[in-house]
Amino acid sequence: AQSVTQLGSHVSVSEGALVLLRCNYSSSVPPYLFWYVQYPNQGLQLLLKYTSAATLVKGINGFEAEFKKSETSFHLTKPSAHMSDAAEYFCAVRHTGANSKLTFGKGITLSVRP
Amino acid sequence: DSGVTQTPKHLITATGQRVTLRCSPRSGDLSVYWYQQSLDQGLQFLIQYYNGEERAKGNILERFSAQQFPDLHSELNLSSLELGDSALYFCASSASDYSGNTIYFGEGSWLTVV
Repeated sequence: AQSVTQLGSHVSVSEGALVLLRCNYSSSVPPYLFWYVQYPNQGLQLLLKYTSAATLVKGINGFEAEFKKSETSFHLTKPSAHMSDAAEYFCAVRHTGANSKLTFGKGITLSVRP
Repeated sequence: DSGVTQTPKHLITATGQRVTLRCSPRSGDLSVYWYQQSLDQGLQFLIQYYNGEERAKGNILERFSAQQFPDLHSELNLSSLELGDSALYFCASSASDYSGNTIYFGEGSWLTVV
């Protein structure tokens, strides 16, 4: 069975600091991986996804993530945090077969200090 | 705006009642998914439909049912409601059942059972 682990439930950074949100997956075969963001009282918005092309994936709002098969990781980074980045971030995994479900981690709340 | 429309946005109902949540997928999308988000369980996959047919089932209770209509809109029916069913219910859609497709989420329907 596939699963995603997001260590910690809350990360706090200063504005302008590096953002690093960790995600490790468990899957018997290389999966597809996704990062979604949820702003307060809103739905989930896709930040980026890995679908077995380039291992370094660039997304919206300056975020990027690197797929590392040897470490079974897909950590999300942003060089310089902005106040508007404060939100909840979800890593998700999906098998490459048809009709596989998208499985989410528990999410990490990112706070940005002025 | 993801293009996925959910109604109602908020709903308060009593235990034992039945409610129907409605979802219009993005134009042209054939797959519809339903997810439940709660504080204790996180984001849980409930069910997927593709072009009117059920394709994948997750942790959906027997009291819950869903369908996708010929015009591709979908409904999630929740019956014999319990306090623990209070949650945010997301509908999402994607172009096909290809696992690498982006899944677009609506803003959710907040259900409160009192």
